[in-house]
Amino acid sequence: DTGVSQDPRHKITKRGQNVTFRCDPISEHNRLYWYRQTLGQGPEFLTYFQNEAQLEKSRLLSDRFSAERPKGSFSTLEIQRTEQGDSAMYLCASSLYTGPQYFGPGTRLTVL
Amino acid sequence: DAKTTQPTSMDCAEGRAANLPCNHSTISGNEYVYWYRQIHSQGPQYIIHGLKNNETNEMASLIITEDRKSSTLILPHATLRDTAVYYCIVRVGGSGGSNYKLTFGKGTLLTVNP
Repeated sequence: DTGVSQDPRHKITKRGQNVTFRCDPISEHNRLYWYRQTLGQGPEFLTYFQNEAQLEKSRLLSDRFSAERPKGSFSTLEIQRTEQGDSAMYLCASSLYTGPQYFGPGTRLTVL
Repeated sequence: DAKTTQPTSMDCAEGRAANLPCNHSTISGNEYVYWYRQIHSQGPQYIIHGLKNNETNEMASLIITEDRKSSTLILPHATLRDTAVYYCIVRVGGSGGSNYKLTFGKGTLLTVNP
């Protein structure tokens, strides 16, 4: 199965630490998206890339968040100086242009 | 993007058809209806989407009313593994507007009972 993969699946960190998540999209997909999901809520859009260009960022994405997709393939999402409010499931999805988005399994972040 | 309204929860007996309704009365002509589901602690799974014609795939059927103000997702023979939160999402198609993102509501929790 060559679906979207995310690593790690779970991350526990202490407040103030930096964390980085990785997403590998479906190989032929040119768009890659990051979403965040807190308990009891639907996923919320954070940002997306078309190839290596980051084209849109939600205002949810504070200055402590940065995302990259350096060669238009995998992407990383870094959170600096984590806060307890950053605890959530971070979801990655990919698509071929405006086609259906296919999601990975997510990375569950717990900030202590 | 147009907003959607879904029931909070529904029950269905195993082996019976599950019919999940969605209202999207403010949908625009260039907006598609998408359905996703999310099984507990997993990422959302794409099910089906449509513009105005009814659609069917191996997972489900999507029935869109003629005025496009509502739709129904049909799982023809529900199994216990279909227990999940089902999201109905309206999204701009083509190259215009916010075609890049999916706006999720709270969805419908479908519980399939043995």
